[in-house]
Amino acid sequence: SQQGEEDPQALSIQEGENATMNCSYKTSINNLQWYRQNSGRGLVHLILIRSNEREKHSGRLRVTLDTSKKSSSLLITASRAADTASYFCATDSWGKLQFGAGTQVVVTP
Amino acid sequence: NAGVTQTPKFRVLKTGQSMTLLCAQDMNHEYMYWYRQDPGMGLRLIHYSVGEGTTAKGEVPDGYNVSRLKKQNFLLGLESAAPSQTSVYFCASSSYRAGRSVNTEAFFGQGTRLTVV
Repeated sequence: SQQGEEDPQALSIQEGENATMNCSYKTSINNLQWYRQNSGRGLVHLILIRSNEREKHSGRLRVTLDTSKKSSSLLITASRAADTASYFCATDSWGKLQFGAGTQVVVTP
Repeated sequence: NAGVTQTPKFRVLKTGQSMTLLCAQDMNHEYMYWYRQDPGMGLRLIHYSVGEGTTAKGEVPDGYNVSRLKKQNFLLGLESAAPSQTSVYFCASSSYRAGRSVNTEAFFGQGTRLTVV
């Protein structure tokens, strides 16, 4: 089974709205990362949060990490049509980088 | 600035044939990974390597072998292809910061679309 599981599996919102997706994982981690994928292309790194951090910001992205609950959330504020993509969380456990099944986000104008 | 390059980009194999996928990175990264992506399954880790000459099994290693003879290359082999191995394969690499004992962001290739008939 996969290390991470994202929720929801799919999300449809309008431009300007916020998009929130969650990730739960099973084992201890060094860090947790979020990636984006457009139409089956290679993944692009968005943000990394270390196991001793609780919150991190990067532009319109906000990531939280709760290691006691083994969960993370990604918030995209003021969504744009260009944010339409699949988003994946990935856990790094001493070099073993594993991904969840992803959240498919559609942002309509 | 090539980053991570996968060869080939597309391939059609007959059941039972063998092939090798090549991943090359020019960023001097320590860690390299092979994943497969199937619809609705996200990326599943096949094998990974934490350094030249070392490899380890991931979530779905059966039917695949790997080698990392040079730091910049990570090869994925299919000895006897099966239709269940039809998938898109992604290679990735990342760096290790010894001072912080943590891995850094991974860089991905553009994928290899493999069809086994």
